[in-house]
Amino acid sequence: SQQGEEDPQALSIQEGENATMNCSYKTSINNLQWYRQNSGRGLVHLILIRSNEREKHSGRLRVTLDTSKKSSSLLITASRAADTASYFCATQIMNTGFQKLVFGTGTRLLVSP
Amino acid sequence: DAGVTQSPTHLIKTRGQQVTLRCSPKSGHDTVSWYQQALGQGPQFIFQYYEEEERQRGNFPDRFSGHQFPNYSSELNVNALLLGDSALYLCASSLGETRRHSYNEQFFGPGTRLTVL
Repeated sequence: SQQGEEDPQALSIQEGENATMNCSYKTSINNLQWYRQNSGRGLVHLILIRSNEREKHSGRLRVTLDTSKKSSSLLITASRAADTASYFCATQIMNTGFQKLVFGTGTRLLVSP
Repeated sequence: DAGVTQSPTHLIKTRGQQVTLRCSPKSGHDTVSWYQQALGQGPQFIFQYYEEEERQRGNFPDRFSGHQFPNYSSELNVNALLLGDSALYLCASSLGETRRHSYNEQFFGPGTRLTVL
């Protein structure tokens, strides 16, 4: 079963606009990560935020984490057509000595020129 | 560095058959995890291998089995294929056991697309 839900399921914007995707999860976590997937192929790691962090930036990406609400958001600023992809949040569950990622359902982003 | 490689890229099987998928981890990595991604869904964890042993397992039946070799490469075997096994199978590699609050990034391969007819 999926750990969480992502919202919206699909998002269509114009180049230059900002895209915001939200992720909710169910259990306590060690960290939360965001991945991008192009055309149903491999996943590319974008950014990780630890459970004791509230906000993190990487280039045009901004991630927030609210552990009290069990939610996270990914903001892509000044979007480009090349950002068109599916985006997934993934949580690493606490108390596991080995890495196990639990993925959300994903947001499909379409950026039009 | 070739990164994580998977073979084959695509595979078509019929119900009841058996399939073996292969994964070579990124250089220096010793842990391999397998995920199943159905169309339109997020990946779901199948199992993870470290030191040639299965360390964690997701909610998948015994028809799904695996193996890790001394060179850290891994195989995923699925027996008695069902139509519902049609999916993209992703392999991810990372560095072994982590402490509770540490993190070793998982690197994903391009996946194997399995179609069961």
